[in-house]
Amino acid sequence: KAGVTQTPRYLIKTRGQQVTLSCSPISGHRSVSWYQQTPGQGLQFLFEYFSETQRNKGNFPGRFSGRQFSNSRSEMNVSTLELGDSALYLCASSLDWGATDTQYFGPGTRLTVL
Amino acid sequence: GENVEQHPSTLSVQEGDSAVIKCTYSDSASNYFPWYKQELGKRPQLIIDIRSNVGEKKDQRIAVTLNKTAKHFSLHITETQPEDSAVYFCAASKTDSWGKLQFGAGTQVVVTP
Repeated sequence: KAGVTQTPRYLIKTRGQQVTLSCSPISGHRSVSWYQQTPGQGLQFLFEYFSETQRNKGNFPGRFSGRQFSNSRSEMNVSTLELGDSALYLCASSLDWGATDTQYFGPGTRLTVL
Repeated sequence: GENVEQHPSTLSVQEGDSAVIKCTYSDSASNYFPWYKQELGKRPQLIIDIRSNVGEKKDQRIAVTLNKTAKHFSLHITETQPEDSAVYFCAASKTDSWGKLQFGAGTQVVVTP
């Protein structure tokens, strides 16, 4: 089975712009979670989706949003980019929700905000 | 919310020695505790996990122990090898928000030959 894929892998944007990141889960996986990884804050939870519904949201401003499609693929959007949004954005997929299934991570999207 | 603390932040060991990383959590409802290994420039990969109904789990050179009363869990790596050099993260989650992993800050492990 193919692993979790994320596109694009690298992205450079300027302050004030918006960006959309995409995540394709492992085939058959229905849950997707998103994390932000920075040297200073480590791995921080953004949101999780199951069945096209956001189940939980982390402590991030409203500029960060996401969605999940009927095929379980997920996107996250960051509007009005700030320098501090520069980070590695990781998504993780798992088989189901509420069953403590293993989360498998994608390679991440490296976002640089100039 | 859940808070996970991880120690030490860096750990240098000689090849063949053991490495121990400790984590504590604050939410007594947490019931799932995975450990991830992240090599430089790569994605985090699960190396072992433990659920709250189990006190210890072992997989070859890697073991994890859980003390629910004290709310701490530990990763033990025996007979360390240079390829064990990486950053290791502990995490915790619970049933009603299982997909929300709360991560520790990470431990940089360096195994010197």
